[in-house]
Amino acid sequence: EAGVVQSPRYKIIEKKQPVAFWCNPISGHNTLYWYLQNLGQGPELLIRYENEEAVDDSQLPKDRFSAERLKGVDSTLKIQPAELGDSAVYLCASSYTRGGEGTQYFGPGTRLTVL
Amino acid sequence: AQKITQTQPGMFVQEKEAVTLDCTYDTSDPSYGLFWYKQPSSGEMIFLIYQGSYDQQNATEGRYSLNFQKARKSANLVISASQLGDSAMYFCAMREGSNFGNEKLTFGTGTRLTIIP
Repeated sequence: EAGVVQSPRYKIIEKKQPVAFWCNPISGHNTLYWYLQNLGQGPELLIRYENEEAVDDSQLPKDRFSAERLKGVDSTLKIQPAELGDSAVYLCASSYTRGGEGTQYFGPGTRLTVL
Repeated sequence: AQKITQTQPGMFVQEKEAVTLDCTYDTSDPSYGLFWYKQPSSGEMIFLIYQGSYDQQNATEGRYSLNFQKARKSANLVISASQLGDSAMYFCAMREGSNFGNEKLTFGTGTRLTIIP
């Protein structure tokens, strides 16, 4: 079974430029998460989707960050414009949350560097 | 207060020895789940083991076991017979509430484990 797929793996941009990250969750997983991981820290939730609906976006900086999950499968996270402080790893995870442990499985992440 | 506390920023362990990574948690919710993830230098978070708050027995998965002490709010990860490939960051995480509507994970700051040949 294929895991969570993310692209690109690495991205280097200059500040004020836009950037987008893409995530394809594990097949059948209804819940998708975007996490931000700063260097030396654990991941922190940015947004959680249940199917197409964003059910928790309280930690998403909405002035510059946006996300979508069309058709309840793939998702895109966008930053516009990027700032120096956005340099971090952006992790996507998915889970099946209708019973069971609801374990979240993570993709390899996108390492963003803003110059 | 921190919800997940990992007090060991780094550990060095001889190959083939057992290692215990500490994790304490704080929640008032009677229903919660505890997870351990491994993050090698490649960056991917790899799920290792899960313990539910109502589970009567400690979870085990191969060389990994979770020493769950509910009264002490402790969920330490034990790795038996450590291998060089175990060198990585290890994160403890908690999900508060049941698995029907509150699936946010709160992570600790991690422990960097280095296995010495």
